[in-house]
Amino acid sequence: IAGITQAPTSQILAAGRRMTLRCTQDMRHNAMYWYRQDLGLGLRLIHYSNTAGTTGKGEVPDGYSVSRANTDDFPLTLASAVPSQTSVYFCASSDSGQSYSGANVLTFGAGSRLTVL
Amino acid sequence: GQNIDQPTEMTATEGAIVQINCTYQTSGFNGLFWYQQHAGEAPTFLSYNVLDGLEEKGRFSSFLSRSKGYSYLLLKELQMKDSASYLCAVQDSNYQLIWGAGTKLIIKP
Repeated sequence: IAGITQAPTSQILAAGRRMTLRCTQDMRHNAMYWYRQDLGLGLRLIHYSNTAGTTGKGEVPDGYSVSRANTDDFPLTLASAVPSQTSVYFCASSDSGQSYSGANVLTFGAGSRLTVL
Repeated sequence: GQNIDQPTEMTATEGAIVQINCTYQTSGFNGLFWYQQHAGEAPTFLSYNVLDGLEEKGRFSSFLSRSKGYSYLLLKELQMKDSASYLCAVQDSNYQLIWGAGTKLIIKP
């Protein structure tokens, strides 16, 4: 593993099903993030975690949940998928948390393309 | 509300220079980032500006004017591999990142 690994790469899901997107980083970064990227829109933050054991809500948290049991893993769960959750999901990490007063540079995973029918 | 504006798409010729503009209206300002994203891939960090002026990094330069709420990314000696989307993002007063929709840059031979 080098950087951030996301799984699955792509998934087609029936509406109403539960889905967990996995994210693992090997950089020992403190902070991790989940974004969704939709055509014509900027990246939108779903949830974040500034350090293991803590999580926070981003701009579009409804319908999603996260956990941060350890430094490396930050899974995103859709409890009951809906078609509006069709998107490309990016996991990211940074050395510093969201309140860092400096260049909080994000490293992104390759993305998970999710289609909800 | 908070807003980041970038052109949707630009076209340029290999070997030329292109300037991608970004204007922002945010609740406070704590830095501006540029990321590059090739189609189907992850965004990767290009530059960070927090003070007014020009930051040069090889073929890429980024400029910031905080009073005008304006930044640009300048790409020189364009190469085909520079074909990508360029994302502008501003860190607001709460250190949240606000992202623009990105500018798709098409390089023609």
